[in-house]
Amino acid sequence: EIVLTQSPGTLSLSPGERATLSCRASQSVSSSYLAWYQQKPGQAPRLLIYDASSRATGIPDRFSGSGSGTDFTLTITRLEPEDFAVYFCQQYGTSSPTFGPGTKVDIK
Amino acid sequence: EVQLLESGGGLVQPGGSLRLSCAASGLTLSSFGMSWVRQAPGKGPEWVSSISSDSIYTYYADSVKGRFTISRDNSMNTLYLQMNSLRAEDTAVYYCAKIGKLGLWYFDYWGQGTLVTVSS
Repeated sequence: EIVLTQSPGTLSLSPGERATLSCRASQSVSSSYLAWYQQKPGQAPRLLIYDASSRATGIPDRFSGSGSGTDFTLTITRLEPEDFAVYFCQQYGTSSPTFGPGTKVDIK
Repeated sequence: EVQLLESGGGLVQPGGSLRLSCAASGLTLSSFGMSWVRQAPGKGPEWVSSISSDSIYTYYADSVKGRFTISRDNSMNTLYLQMNSLRAEDTAVYYCAKIGKLGLWYFDYWGQGTLVTVSS
């Protein structure tokens, strides 16, 4: 099983700032099959990024994903008030997909 | 608009059973693989099970293999999860989720979730 580690655990930023979230895999993720989700309290996760860098339908271009192998990054160029949430990465390069523990982006 | 609506959660004693349902609207379920994903309080999501569009292939996490059964009724546009021999560690919100691309298990649509609590 591929274990995903996310850092930092919490990121305290102000609206308008840039957020950089990291996801590291315990072994190489096949074909960059990595996704990012946003989750707000009481809601289901929402797909932001798939295949490491492809934005899902309707996702603003301030969200971008990058990386390959074992190191991946989600960048939010300018934080909007609605972006404060928890972010999870997920690998789907194996027949047992796994999620990371999440990074909380909160208001400084 | 795609909507997935889960039902069937609740409080059950250890060793008990529950059957979850997920009714789909705004999409033809028979065209897509589907999954169940759960999330314990304060934790990241955990993939539970997936089923191919034609029900031929089913897949399970080791943690639920032999206890849970995924199925679907495409004529009813509904997905199911039969959960037997429930344990305290199965306590979570259970989401049904549409698989994003054939054979690639990321999830582009999620239901609102149904809470399963296993406790005596």
